Amino acid sequence: DAGITQSPRHKVTETGTPVTLRCHQTENHRYMYWYRQDPGHGLRLIHYSYGVKDTDKGEVSDGYSVSRSKTEDFLLTLESATSSQTSVYFCAITDRGTDTQYFGPGTRLTVL
Amino acid sequence: AQSVTQLDSHVSVSEGTPVLLRCNYSSSYSPSLFWYVQHPNKGLQLLLKYTSAATLVKGINGFEAEFKKSETSFHLTKPSAHMSDAAEYFCVVSGSSNTGKLIFGQGTTLQVKP
Repeated sequence: DAGITQSPRHKVTETGTPVTLRCHQTENHRYMYWYRQDPGHGLRLIHYSYGVKDTDKGEVSDGYSVSRSKTEDFLLTLESATSSQTSVYFCAITDRGTDTQYFGPGTRLTVL
Repeated sequence: AQSVTQLDSHVSVSEGTPVLLRCNYSSSYSPSLFWYVQHPNKGLQLLLKYTSAATLVKGINGFEAEFKKSETSFHLTKPSAHMSDAAEYFCVVSGSSNTGKLIFGQGTTLQVKP
């Protein structure tokens, strides 16, 4: 599992509330990613990071922000959650040694 | 731009029969290609990857895939399906930069009937 944990694993919240999801890795990987998974769409990239304080947008970044103040943690924030953000969120890292991306266990978010 | 299309959203096979999950890709350069599997309510697990070495790639659990540049395909096969193979499978292509970004297909759900 490449030492990736996500918290919380499940969350139910209401429209308009802020939500922060955390991804933690233990192996000092430089690249980290946030994806969302929705039926019929596979996984779509929200944001990614290529180092501390270095982040960039992915395919579906509207309504999301990220922060990376230390190598091991990559935070995804929904400033004001909407029902369209109900999804399963996966964090991932790239192991540059094998050029392979590994995924965390996922966070199921429901916005009512 | 890179893209990937999984040609079947749902495939159903009987246990012990061959599995074929189809994937076509589009890329302006020689891509890296991957197959990931996701069992129900689980995370994603790498099955195999192609990175311009041998065109026939062997993965875990008896799966393999063949890279065919002329057909821009990377189909996943297994000679004999097992009940435990029932899952969702994603064909994935690497993005154009060196940032490690991946582009996912829509997924194929494999059903294995007893």
